[in-house]
Amino acid sequence: NAGVTQTPKFQVLKTGQSMTLQCAQDMNHNSMYWYRQDPGMGLRLIYYSASEGTTDKGEVPNGYNVSRLNKREFSLRLESAAPSQTSVYFCASRGGTADTQYFGPGTRLTVL
Amino acid sequence: QQQVKQSPQSLIVQKGGISIINCAYENTAFDYFPWYQQFPGKGPALLIAIRPDVSEKKEGRFTISFNKSAKQFSLHIMDSQPGDSATYFCAASKGWYDKIIFGKGTRLHILP
Repeated sequence: NAGVTQTPKFQVLKTGQSMTLQCAQDMNHNSMYWYRQDPGMGLRLIYYSASEGTTDKGEVPNGYNVSRLNKREFSLRLESAAPSQTSVYFCASRGGTADTQYFGPGTRLTVL
Repeated sequence: QQQVKQSPQSLIVQKGGISIINCAYENTAFDYFPWYQQFPGKGPALLIAIRPDVSEKKEGRFTISFNKSAKQFSLHIMDSQPGDSATYFCAASKGWYDKIIFGKGTRLHILP
């Protein structure tokens, strides 16, 4: 039982490049989330998926797209990376009888 | 508009003392109030959570106090230990499996 896994752990991009951050959970949770964390800004919600087949914008969706591939997987895509997207990205899933949200270990992204 | 306001930004407490972190919210539809603990280089982890049908919840040295009329809730860490040094986030959500909105975090340092 791995919980929430994210790949890659680290990534350096040049401005304008694209990439996809991968996230998977093995807890059979319906809801999945993508956050970014910047110093002094806390965790800001980018997109979330309340259930398989649905996605909704969060607080800071501009410049990102998501895909809920199936119940386990929720990917985040940067089509044209910008330096302002330098951040730590966390994926999370939520569910179970205790309605607990679990976070992945994070992806540290630098855009030059 | 910041939906969950957290204070203080940073806090220094002597070992054995009481650490208190406060949060305020605006949306009266929120019905789930978790606190998360984050160590450097790690994802946030759920510490303790409360729903508005109770005014206090205690788990070990950690207590949430909830004031529905004032739309405020706080985390108390009793007998604070150096191992409690971390960043703490309050959060709020409405309904099961809905998006969770985070405060900006409090960096807690416990002096040995």
